[in-house]
Amino acid sequence: DVKVTQSSRYLVKRTGEKVFLECVQDMDHENMFWYRQDPGLGLRLIYFSYDVKMKEKGDIPEGYSVSREKKERFSLILESASTNQTSMYLCASSLLRPIEAFFGQGTRLTVV
Amino acid sequence: DQQVKQNSPSLSVQEGRISILNCDYTNSMFDYFLWYKKYPAEGPTFLISISSIKDKNEDGRFTVFLNKSAKHLSLHIVPSQPGDSAVYFCAARYNTDKLIFGTGTRLQVFP
Repeated sequence: DVKVTQSSRYLVKRTGEKVFLECVQDMDHENMFWYRQDPGLGLRLIYFSYDVKMKEKGDIPEGYSVSREKKERFSLILESASTNQTSMYLCASSLLRPIEAFFGQGTRLTVV
Repeated sequence: DQQVKQNSPSLSVQEGRISILNCDYTNSMFDYFLWYKKYPAEGPTFLISISSIKDKNEDGRFTVFLNKSAKHLSLHIVPSQPGDSAVYFCAARYNTDKLIFGTGTRLQVFP
């Protein structure tokens, strides 16, 4: 069974904190993605990675960075959390040229 | 600028009837389209996809239609069941690897 695991289901952080969201996949997929889901805005791509140490900006990369040191792990970093980063964060993985992507269960982050 | 749009935020359908969810896109370079279903507090799960060179793909109760000239795709669910109640996202693939999602449509199937 394919699996994408996000380290936390719920997180509460303070404004200005550095926040790490971790994602691990066990399918040996090349691609990994970070999205955020907000009401009325759907899923918006923050960053994606097509190989170890490779990354590309998505549509809303401002305020975020990513790290992919190993193929199975893709981390999203909020350098200095702000209240407008309160959201549901979803990690996904896929093979190259994806026909489908597999998602984790999501992390609901609240920044207070 | 939203490249993939789902203009109906919600849809309500009676059990047994057809559900039609619509999606419009602007980028003619998209080469694959996908539909996902999402339940609350879960990640989206893949439903069905269609290549841009086809106009229809069917999988059980789910059929996706693609109209390239209109840059429009739709998902038909027949017959609709209460378990189909969820948020549905359409997505499009470009640059071979990026997946761009729409805003979602909440489908409610009532008895």
